[in-house]
Amino acid sequence: QKEVEQNSGPLSVPEGAIASLNCTYSDRGSQSFFWYRQYSGKSPELIMFIYSNGDKEDGRFTAQLNKASQYVSLLIRDSQPSDSATYLCAGGGGGADGLTFGKGTHLIIQP
Amino acid sequence: DGGITQSPKYLFRKEGQNVTLSCEQNLNHDAMYWYRQDPGQGLRLIYYSQIVNDFQKGDIAEGYSVSREKKESFPLTVTSAQKNPTAFYLCASTQTVRGVLEAFFGQGTRLTVV
Repeated sequence: QKEVEQNSGPLSVPEGAIASLNCTYSDRGSQSFFWYRQYSGKSPELIMFIYSNGDKEDGRFTAQLNKASQYVSLLIRDSQPSDSATYLCAGGGGGADGLTFGKGTHLIIQP
Repeated sequence: DGGITQSPKYLFRKEGQNVTLSCEQNLNHDAMYWYRQDPGQGLRLIYYSQIVNDFQKGDIAEGYSVSREKKESFPLTVTSAQKNPTAFYLCASTQTVRGVLEAFFGQGTRLTVV
């Protein structure tokens, strides 16, 4: 059974600080990893995807992938109250059954 | 613009009724998926389809049925056999481009049993 594990939180971070979200996965065949942000009652929206070991930066967001440790993380710099949401980690590409999602981490940015 | 369209956005079902959720994509993606999300939970796979006229059960297929008669359409029927259907349903499609898996989601359908 493919699994993606996330700490459900809530993770509370002061405004302007760095928020660090972590995710581990069990399927070594997974090739692509995704971070989605989901506001309550809304559809997930893609923030970043990563498929190579190392870091990938996009604005205030940095995704990190370590395939040897089966670990994916998302860093949010200069956290804003609007970043408060649930962040879903997903892995895929290791088979025909699409993406496997974690349960999400609830992030709260305190003004 | 290409994308995935789910309808309706909100759906109410009476006990014992079957209801069908629509999912249409114009991305020319081969693979389509249905996920269910319960409050405070992640997304769980109901059914998926890699090609037209073929589909596979996901982790929680009981009480659901799908069809894939056209590449762009993947409707989900929630049958009366599904004992706890109240949830948020998401449709997705994926395509592998130059070895990278891309995934797109619809806006979701919130189903409530009344």
